[in-house]
Amino acid sequence: EDQVTQSPEALRLQEGESSSLNCSYTVSGLRGLFWYRQDPGKGPEFLFTLYSAGEEKEKERLKATLTKKESFLHITAPKPEDSATYLCAVQAPDDKIIFGKGTRLHILP
Amino acid sequence: DVKVTQSSRYLVKRTGEKVFLECVQDMDHENMFWYRQDPGLGLRLIYFSYDVKMKEKGDIPEGYSVSREKKERFSLILESASTNQTSMYLCASSFRPGQGRYEQYFGPGTRLTVT
Repeated sequence: EDQVTQSPEALRLQEGESSSLNCSYTVSGLRGLFWYRQDPGKGPEFLFTLYSAGEEKEKERLKATLTKKESFLHITAPKPEDSATYLCAVQAPDDKIIFGKGTRLHILP
Repeated sequence: DVKVTQSSRYLVKRTGEKVFLECVQDMDHENMFWYRQDPGLGLRLIYFSYDVKMKEKGDIPEGYSVSREKKERFSLILESASTNQTSMYLCASSFRPGQGRYEQYFGPGTRLTVT
């Protein structure tokens, strides 16, 4: 069964303390991997799409990378405003989109 | 910028009522989706549509129906609301697969409470 697993479920960091969020998947023939940010009570906001192993995308303090089995969302020197839930989703060969359950990130000032 | 709007941010309905949730997108996307999001369960797909008047069941369609009469508008209908349908409802849209961009754009969500 195609699955997407995100870890950790929750992460608390001090402001400026860099870290990485993980998204592992079991989908064969991945067509795309997506990262979203979701603030409490709001809809997810699209961040990145990655299509092939070795690809990287950056936006401000965020960098997403992709291997054949997982993706990482690296957060460099985070600020309190980076606190949110980060969702990962994959596009399977049949174009079905499978979401992970997210990582809740809390940055302490 | 892509914009997806939903008719209500908060909604309170009584058990047995018929509930309409509407979603409009302005990006000429072919695909539109309805999800519900519950703590610990993540996003679950209810229905999606890849064209006007076309619909496909998602993972949890029971108790719901949908309507897509115009390309930009996708409605979710709860025929007879029940308390277990209390949830956050999210609409999303995207281009058709094969157009090179398949990321989804989400609306702000509707927090539905059924009492």
